[in-house]
Amino acid sequence: SAVISQKPSRDICQRGTSLTIQCQVDSQVTMMFWYRQQPGQSLTLIATANQGSEATYESGFVIDKFPISRPNLTFSTLTVSNMSPEDSSIYLCSAAGRAGAHEQYFGPGTRLTVT
Amino acid sequence: DAKTTQPTSMDCAEGRAANLPCNHSTISGNEYVYWYRQIHSQGPQYIIHGLKNNETNEMASLIITEDRKSSTLILPHATLRDTAVYYCIVRLFMDSSYKLIFGSGTRLLVRP
Repeated sequence: SAVISQKPSRDICQRGTSLTIQCQVDSQVTMMFWYRQQPGQSLTLIATANQGSEATYESGFVIDKFPISRPNLTFSTLTVSNMSPEDSSIYLCSAAGRAGAHEQYFGPGTRLTVT
Repeated sequence: DAKTTQPTSMDCAEGRAANLPCNHSTISGNEYVYWYRQIHSQGPQYIIHGLKNNETNEMASLIITEDRKSSTLILPHATLRDTAVYYCIVRLFMDSSYKLIFGSGTRLLVRP
């Protein structure tokens, strides 16, 4: 299994500012992902964080708004840029482990409130 | 990836079996069925997966119909801690992509 931690666990930010969320996995993983979960809703995939190359974004999400880094096999960051109240959500990091493993693991999430 | 349909909500009594259905009528031959759950204020948790055969682990059983167009997740003796949103996801298992696309899920309430 893999244990995932996220920092910060929650934050309150002013509109127009940016926040970087960190995701640390306790073991090397092949794939890492970032999801958004708006209040009362299901999870929406933002992007796949690729190690050594640019992230792959899902429809409706762009790099300028959600830049992602993945410098190694255990760490990734998601930045929420130029925030507005609509960005208030829980942001979750996820990882898929060794090749051939079916399970995907999730962090506890970062609860972001934009005022 | 095939689309899934789940009831919005269900409830069951503590100690009884919880049977959560999922419809995936457009599933293709090499797509797997995965179940995850999300307990309030936590990240989703993997439960079980299957391709064709029924599967059982320490958490649950997964029953897949012979035509693979539907499945049922069974929690044999539900406890209050099993109250959560349960997601059924159908997906290809590929080495180059592990992404999960979540639907709206079933909100299970286990009653004392």
